[in-house]
Amino acid sequence: RKEVEQDPGPFNVPEGATVAFNCTYSNSASQSFFWYRQDCRKEPKLLMSVYSSGNEDGRFTAQLNRASQYISLLIRDSKLSDSATYLCVVNPNQAGTALIFGKGTTLSVSS
Amino acid sequence: DTEVTQTPKHLVMGMTNKKSLKCEQHMGHRAMYWYKQKAKKPPELMFVYSYEKLSINESVPSRFSPECPNSSLLNLHLHALQPEDSALYLCASSQEYSTGREQYFGPGTRLTVT
Repeated sequence: RKEVEQDPGPFNVPEGATVAFNCTYSNSASQSFFWYRQDCRKEPKLLMSVYSSGNEDGRFTAQLNRASQYISLLIRDSKLSDSATYLCVVNPNQAGTALIFGKGTTLSVSS
Repeated sequence: DTEVTQTPKHLVMGMTNKKSLKCEQHMGHRAMYWYKQKAKKPPELMFVYSYEKLSINESVPSRFSPECPNSSLLNLHLHALQPEDSALYLCASSQEYSTGREQYFGPGTRLTVT
């Protein structure tokens, strides 16, 4: 099982739609989780941090299910500007190991 | 302020050149990172500095040489690169390495090796 797995997509949705991405992780000791968005040819930008069961920021909600070892990101009322690649990132909480990046999920929102 | 700056934005170099990439943060972070990113792939960790000491070297070829002159600055010295080293080089910082907190990325240097 890969350490951090994401559905690569692409997810193609119309404006106003609700879309959800899932991310699974293999290390049950993982403590903290992050969603980054990355626009084409730009750097990853932190979208949300998840340290407990979840987090909400406006149209974005992240939920953590430790028992099943997955994190989800829900985007409500999608905007054209939400089109990007969303990276799931996990802190495996192992000495000598830095954050582990998923391969990313591509979202395309159309009018 | 969560800003990490990187210079230059773009760099074209020949295989015999020596060049350096620079990164700076003023957030008081004690961990800094170099990543390499190829198109349509996630960032790939190269080096981690914690409290100005090299903590992780992910088996990076010696033609890449990192340096951390102080807690705010991180350099990546490049020498005798290969065309396959062309990529986006990202610097990041975080409060501390050991706590696994958020990392903040700079805009990157897009490197082309000819």
